[in-house]
Amino acid sequence: ETGVTQTPRHLVMGMTNKKSLKCEQHLGHNAMYWYKQSAKKPLELMFVYSLEERVENNSVPSRFSPECPNSSHLFLHLHTLQPEDSALYLCASSQDLSTSGKRYEQYFGPGTRLTVT
Amino acid sequence: SQQGEEDPQALSIQEGENATMNCSYKTSINNLQWYRQNSGRGLVHLILIRSNEREKHSGRLRVTLDTSKKSSSLLITASRAADTASYFCATDMINQGAQKLVFGQGTRLTINP
Repeated sequence: ETGVTQTPRHLVMGMTNKKSLKCEQHLGHNAMYWYKQSAKKPLELMFVYSLEERVENNSVPSRFSPECPNSSHLFLHLHTLQPEDSALYLCASSQDLSTSGKRYEQYFGPGTRLTVT
Repeated sequence: SQQGEEDPQALSIQEGENATMNCSYKTSINNLQWYRQNSGRGLVHLILIRSNEREKHSGRLRVTLDTSKKSSSLLITASRAADTASYFCATDMINQGAQKLVFGQGTRLTINP
């Protein structure tokens, strides 16, 4: 176990549904990330939160809405998704100390396998 | 455009042999990281090499970094069946206080018993 949990592990939803993915980290990190992993494509960074503030939004469609209520929790709210949004959604966390210039590894959760029908 | 690109895309070897995977990138980096992913699971960090380092070891893993060629290699020695997984390199580009890791497409490694 990496200290990052994700729920649910599997999700099947229709295009008109609204659902949320949840990520929780127990590592005391101050940055959290959402990635999308589709078949035969590189892992795509979707959102980055540092100290609960969104610092990156990689042109992700508005049907994906992130929320970071505190440094331990990260949500991805989904609505009116498309079949091409079916993928493995991975959450990660890391400790970032920008003043020291240090960089650390990211710890990933097991992912949520999303299928949009 | 994609920052990290692994080569080969797939590698199949016999147990006990060494496996070498390569990664090339395009822009200046802060550090380069290697991750492993078992099928359908999350990624697990293997090793981080900073831009001012040339080689790093961790158990059976050896990573090299050549910033002049913008390339890195991951060597797994004395491979085991349990090493079967996908391996990704990720380059770290500074973005405010948080990392922005850019991953390659990965190398699918199969160790045959």
